[in-house]
Amino acid sequence: NAGVTQTPKFRILKIGQSMTLQCTQDMNHNYMYWYRQDPGMGLKLIYYSVGAGITDKGEVPNGYNVSRSTTEDFPLRLELAAPSQTSVYFCASSYSLAGETQYFGPGTRLLVL
Amino acid sequence: QKEVEQDPGPLSVPEGAIVSLNCTYSNSAFQYFMWYRQYSRKGPELLMYTYSSGNKEDGRFTAQVDKSSKYISLFIRDSQPSDSATYLCAMFPNAGKSTFGDGTTLTVKP
Repeated sequence: NAGVTQTPKFRILKIGQSMTLQCTQDMNHNYMYWYRQDPGMGLKLIYYSVGAGITDKGEVPNGYNVSRSTTEDFPLRLELAAPSQTSVYFCASSYSLAGETQYFGPGTRLLVL
Repeated sequence: QKEVEQDPGPLSVPEGAIVSLNCTYSNSAFQYFMWYRQYSRKGPELLMYTYSSGNKEDGRFTAQVDKSSKYISLFIRDSQPSDSATYLCAMFPNAGKSTFGDGTTLTVKP
């Protein structure tokens, strides 16, 4: 199993550009998550999904959008990138929402200039 | 005030030392308590997982949860240079979303 994979590993965006961060898991997990991690800080939940077609906002959803058309994929869309979105983005998945182990991807480093 | 407060560090110890990492929280609904280890430029990986109060031991690692004090700890015995990483505490209520601490960076010097 590859686990959770994320692409790209690193990206530089100009202010106002848009991009999609890709996330795929091969563990047949129902739950998937997007977090951002700013330097020296913990993880903040952006969006999560409890299954295909169902998504919900986390703590910091503004400026982002998600979709979940399949169990495996959970892309994160950034519209009109801003310097405040410079961060490391982690995707994670788990079997359930009730405290089960979350498996994290390797992260995408995003720099908005 | 943050729901989860983690000792900020950084922490530097000699090889073989006992390390104590701590978090406090304010939400009494938290039931599941995790410790994640994150190496530089990598994603977090689960280290220890505890439900409700009590202790759990796994090799050199011991997790303690004291719900009455809203305080959790991770102890590392006989620390090794390979333990050098950032340690994140995380908590869940039942069927709820996780809340993470900001992490403590540990360096174990040979």
